[in-house]
Amino acid sequence: GQSLEQPSEVTAVEGAIVQINCTYQTSGFYGLSWYQQHDGGAPTFLSYNALDGLEETGRFSSFLSRSDSYGYLLLQELQMKDSASYFCAVKGAGSYQLTFGKGTKLSVIP
Amino acid sequence: DADVTQTPRNRITKTGKRIMLECSQTKGHDRMYWYRQDPGLGLRLIYYSFDVKDINKGEISDGYSVSRQAQAKFSLSLESAIPNQTALYFCATSVPGHTEAFFGQGTRLTVV
Repeated sequence: GQSLEQPSEVTAVEGAIVQINCTYQTSGFYGLSWYQQHDGGAPTFLSYNALDGLEETGRFSSFLSRSDSYGYLLLQELQMKDSASYFCAVKGAGSYQLTFGKGTKLSVIP
Repeated sequence: DADVTQTPRNRITKTGKRIMLECSQTKGHDRMYWYRQDPGLGLRLIYYSFDVKDINKGEISDGYSVSRQAQAKFSLSLESAIPNQTALYFCATSVPGHTEAFFGQGTRLTVV
């Protein structure tokens, strides 16, 4: 089976940097994904890491350490519109489905 | 138009009623999924289908059934709705070998 742990809530100041961590347990591993969901909206894909290291996409970066079963999403230059829930998700080897964490609600304050 | 469309967007139904949630997609993807979202529990997989002839149970399939009528259409049914099936339901699609899933706008279902 697969399970993921991430903090339930994080608060950060506009313009700052915030890191959302995700640890996972899986019987096999293809990669770690991150999704953003605004209140009342659909989840949207942000990033994917299959190999160790940092992937950067604009203000967002995602990191993976396969040996530690750990990853994080880094959001820089926070904007009010970044207030949303962020989900990590794993795709296990031999399983073609995504398993999601319970989500981290990010609140960006002025 | 949205690439993944769910109907209805909102529905209130009574306990014991049969209800169908529909999903259609124009992305041409083979893989389709139904997820349920509850506050604090994230997204949980109900059923998934890799093509018209392939249907698989997910994490929480009890009380649900699905039908893949065509590559573009994947329906979720609650044969006899119960209050604890009140939730936000999402349909999603993906491409084999790709990791990005595309979600519909969701159906908010309330069972009273």
